[in-house]
Amino acid sequence: GAGVSQSPSNKVTEKGKDVELRCDPISGHTALYWYRQSLGQGLEFLIYFQGNSAPDKSGLPSDRFSAERTGGSVSTLTIQRTQQEDSAVYLCASSAAGPTTFFGPGTRLTVL
Amino acid sequence: AQSVSQHNHHVILSEAASLELGCNYSYGGTVNLFWYVQYPGQHLQLLLKYFSGDPLVKGIKGFEAEFIKSKFSFNLRKPSVQWSDTAEYFCAVISGGGADGLTFGKGTHLIIQP
Repeated sequence: GAGVSQSPSNKVTEKGKDVELRCDPISGHTALYWYRQSLGQGLEFLIYFQGNSAPDKSGLPSDRFSAERTGGSVSTLTIQRTQQEDSAVYLCASSAAGPTTFFGPGTRLTVL
Repeated sequence: AQSVSQHNHHVILSEAASLELGCNYSYGGTVNLFWYVQYPGQHLQLLLKYFSGDPLVKGIKGFEAEFIKSKFSFNLRKPSVQWSDTAEYFCAVISGGGADGLTFGKGTHLIIQP
């Protein structure tokens, strides 16, 4: 597609359940980022993938969060044992060779 | 660690008024600077960017921004706003190879009254 796509667009889950969020970056973009947007914290960087390289996980909020990127393209962000404070919009972004970053529409996660 | 400060959290203007949104960043090294806009119900879109060269950069929809290195500032301006400019505006900085991602300001919620 022309832009970054994310699925699902909305996810409502119960506290304690696991969720998986998907991101399809722009074709040919080697860099992929995950961010979280919430009212209290604004926009927070979570994790960065460059091609197939192992990511730096230090930006993830807790060990309940994990992310992977398969074949240098699609990425999934997994949140285990969700908590109410995980409720936010999770944004995926990608970039080509330079720093210009393009964002997807986000997945709105609500933990009840 | 770098940080970005946006001075105005909420701004209300009338159509045709001039706009200036302040942005300051803390990192002292080489940075790439951005303004993103988020219209109601839409995703983040790139408004303009500065990497190097002419410190006055022009973006989409009549927006421009000026990089002033000595002040660590990258203020966003528009001479005459329109109702359709109502949105959330985010200043952001990224340094080095991008491994730390963009650091965003808290955002400015701009409301244009017709």
